Amino acid sequence: EAGVTQFPSHSVIEKGQTVTLRCDPISGHDNLYWYRRVMGKEIKFLLHFVKESKQDESGMPNNRFLAERTGGTYSTLKVQPAELEDSGVYFCASSRWQGDNSPLHFGNGTRLTVT
Amino acid sequence: AQTVTQSQPEMSVQEAETVTLSCTYDTSESDYYLFWYKQPPSRQMILVIRQEAYKQQNATENRFSVNFQKAAKSFSLKISDSQLGDAAMYFCAYRSENYGGSQGNLIFGKGTKLSVKP
Repeated sequence: EAGVTQFPSHSVIEKGQTVTLRCDPISGHDNLYWYRRVMGKEIKFLLHFVKESKQDESGMPNNRFLAERTGGTYSTLKVQPAELEDSGVYFCASSRWQGDNSPLHFGNGTRLTVT
Repeated sequence: AQTVTQSQPEMSVQEAETVTLSCTYDTSESDYYLFWYKQPPSRQMILVIRQEAYKQQNATENRFSVNFQKAAKSFSLKISDSQLGDAAMYFCAYRSENYGGSQGNLIFGKGTKLSVKP
């Protein structure tokens, strides 16, 4: 089966611009997560979808970030307007169920650079 | 709030030797899960090993094993017979049992970059 796919792999934008990151989870995986790693810091949880519903968005840093998962398939994470501190690697992960026997599969991440 | 600390930003090991990566965590919970993830240069994060806090026996996966000390809140990873392919960032992670069973809401450490010398 295809793994979790993220687009683009790398994005360079100027402060104030808008960027949209995309994540295609493994087919059939209802659970989709977004994480972010800012340089030199921990990987931080952003939010969790179950199908198209937001189960937990407690990690979203502010209202410049908008995540959607229309139809419960792929998800997008839009940053508008981007700020310098938004630079980092954004990871997406998916799992079939929420239970412990359902492993978490990560994508390769999108490296976002805001200049 | 729970925290995970990896005190070694970088480590180096000779091929075929053994290396231990440290991880400590802080929690007031009694039931939780601990994980080690590996992120090679290709960037895809891969689960290496996981430990349930209620199990006293240390988890083992081939050349990877953990030393889980619940009272000390320590969860170190030992890599035996290191191989060049083990070179990667290693992240220690914690998950609360109370998060409805979901594997997704992980709390990560900052990571340890492991280099393997031929």
